[in-house]
This record gives sequence, C-alpha cells and structure tokens, in this order.
Amino acid sequence: DVKVTQSSRYLVKRTGEKVFLECVQDMDHENMFWYRQDPGLGLRLIYFSYDVKMKEKGDIPEGYSVSREKKERFSLILESASTNQTSMYLCASSPWVGLVRPGELFFGEGSRLTVL
Amino acid sequence: GQQLNQSPQSMFIQEGEDVSMNCTSSSIFNTWLWYKQDPGEGPVLLIALYKAGELTSNGRLTAQFGITRKDSFLNISASIPSDVGIYFCAGQGYGNKLVFGAGTILRVKS
Repeated sequence: DVKVTQSSRYLVKRTGEKVFLECVQDMDHENMFWYRQDPGLGLRLIYFSYDVKMKEKGDIPEGYSVSREKKERFSLILESASTNQTSMYLCASSPWVGLVRPGELFFGEGSRLTVL
Repeated sequence: GQQLNQSPQSMFIQEGEDVSMNCTSSSIFNTWLWYKQDPGEGPVLLIALYKAGELTSNGRLTAQFGITRKDSFLNISASIPSDVGIYFCAGQGYGNKLVFGAGTILRVKS
C-alpha cells in the first residue's frame, strides 16, 4: 500500500514562529503536493513538485515555501506563522500520469496547525 | 481560477436512505473524481470518470460524468453508518492540477 506520512498530526505555534511540516512517501512517486483544507473551502493547492529540487506555485502560495531535496520528502515551510494560517494541511503524492488513473492522489492523514 | 460548486454542503439522513450530491463548474474538465475523507484521515479516491456520459459504480456508489463535461453527480444507495464523512468532487483539466469542491458533509442517523 502507498504510504504518505506527515510528521505531526497536531501542532500549536505562536505568531511569528517558523513552522516546518514534513511529508514522506514510500512509493517512489514523482509528484508531491501540499494542500490546505478549510471548512466550506475544500482543498486548496499551496505548492506542488514534479521532481527533486523542482517546485511550482499552486493557487495560494503566499506565506508559504517548500523544499524537495529528496524524492520521497516534501516539506512545507511557514517562515513567519500568522493566525490566518491556522488550518488542516494535507500532503499528497502521485506517480506520473499514465502509471495510474489521472487525478489519483494518495493523501497523508493531515497536520492540524493552530497559530496563536 | 477554476471553481467547482458542490452541493449540498451537508446532509443528515436516515440509515438505509439513498444519497445524492453533485458538482458543477463553469469550465470543462477532462476528468471528474470523487474522494471521501473519513474523520481524522486524508481523502481517498472513490470513483474516477474519464469520458463524458460515463456512468461508473463502486459497490453502493454510482457516479456520472455529465455530458456537457461541466458537471458530475455521486449517488450512494442504502446508506450505512460508515458512510459518514466528507465527500469531495474534483475536476482535472489539462495538466496535472486538480480543482476540488468545498465538500459535502454526510451524517447518518442509525
């Protein structure tokens, strides 16, 4: 089974702190994604990566950055956390389109971040 | 950017009832997908649709890709308590990015 593991299920941080959210997948997938989930807004794409050291902005990248130094690991960074970044963060991975059905993402369990 | 309108926002139904939810878009999609998120978990793919007019079943779930390519619906027959969760539709146009709906929260009364 594909396993996407997010390092922290729950975090509480203070405004202005730097926050790292780590994600590791064990299926050698090329593509990795970070989404933010908020009630009534669904899942919104923050950043994604198609390869090591490669990243592309999603729909809401402001206030976030990412790092992909190794194929299996994709980190989301909040340089200076703010209260409006309190949310559920979901990491996902997928292999190249053509190896699985297009659109099939494998999600982690999520990291719930509260910024005070 | 592209947006999906998913309805209803939430449903509270009796066990054994059938459930229907849908998504509409102002844009054309090449793929429609339905995901379910159990409480405390990440979303899992239920059904994927790749062709306009396609009707696909997965157990008690049935989904259709609208003929205009701008909508899709998901039906759940004879709901059971483990159907509770959040159901998301997602559309994929050209490229690898998905656009997700806001979700339908399903609650089932025993």
